[in-house]
Amino acid sequence: AQSVTQPDIHITVSEGASLELRCNYSYGATPYLFWYVQSPGQGLQLLLKYFSGDTLVQGIKGFEAEFKRSQSSFNLRKPSVHWSDAAEYFCAVGSYSGGGADGLTFGKGTHLIIQP
Amino acid sequence: KAGVTQTPRYLIKTRGQQVTLSCSPISGHRSVSWYQQTPGQGLQFLFEYFSETQRNKGNFPGRFSGRQFSNSRSEMNVSTLELGDSALYLCASSPPWATEAFFGQGTRLTVV
Repeated sequence: AQSVTQPDIHITVSEGASLELRCNYSYGATPYLFWYVQSPGQGLQLLLKYFSGDTLVQGIKGFEAEFKRSQSSFNLRKPSVHWSDAAEYFCAVGSYSGGGADGLTFGKGTHLIIQP
Repeated sequence: KAGVTQTPRYLIKTRGQQVTLSCSPISGHRSVSWYQQTPGQGLQFLFEYFSETQRNKGNFPGRFSGRQFSNSRSEMNVSTLELGDSALYLCASSPPWATEAFFGQGTRLTVV
């Protein structure tokens, strides 16, 4: 069975500092990996995705993530955070059967707090 | 292009009642999936529909059901509501050529 672990429940970062959110996954085949962000009371917005190719993927809002197969990790990074980045971040793994994505398995999320 | 639309946004129901939630996917998307989000369990996959057929199902009791119509719109139904069904229910749609899912704003269900 596939699973996703986000070891950090909360992370506090000063505005302007760099950020790294950790994600480890367990999946039998080549995984589809995603990072989503959720603001309070809102749905999920896709930040970036990985399936194959370059292991460093760029996303929206200045985020990037690196896929490391040997470590089963897909960590999210941002060189300089802004107060508006405060939100809940979810890592997810999924598969594709043709015609669209199958169900996603999500981590428990990391709550990002930005200090002024 | 309009995003995924879920109605209603908020709902309050009494234990034992049933509820139906609606989801309109992004135009051209034929895959629709549903998720339950609670503080304790996080985001959990309910089921996924493609071309009116349920392709995948999560580990939820039979009280949770869904369907998809020929225009790809989807509904989910929860019967005999329990207090523990209080949650944010999220719908997502996927384009045929891609792996990612695009989420709606969700329906906040409160069971009292």
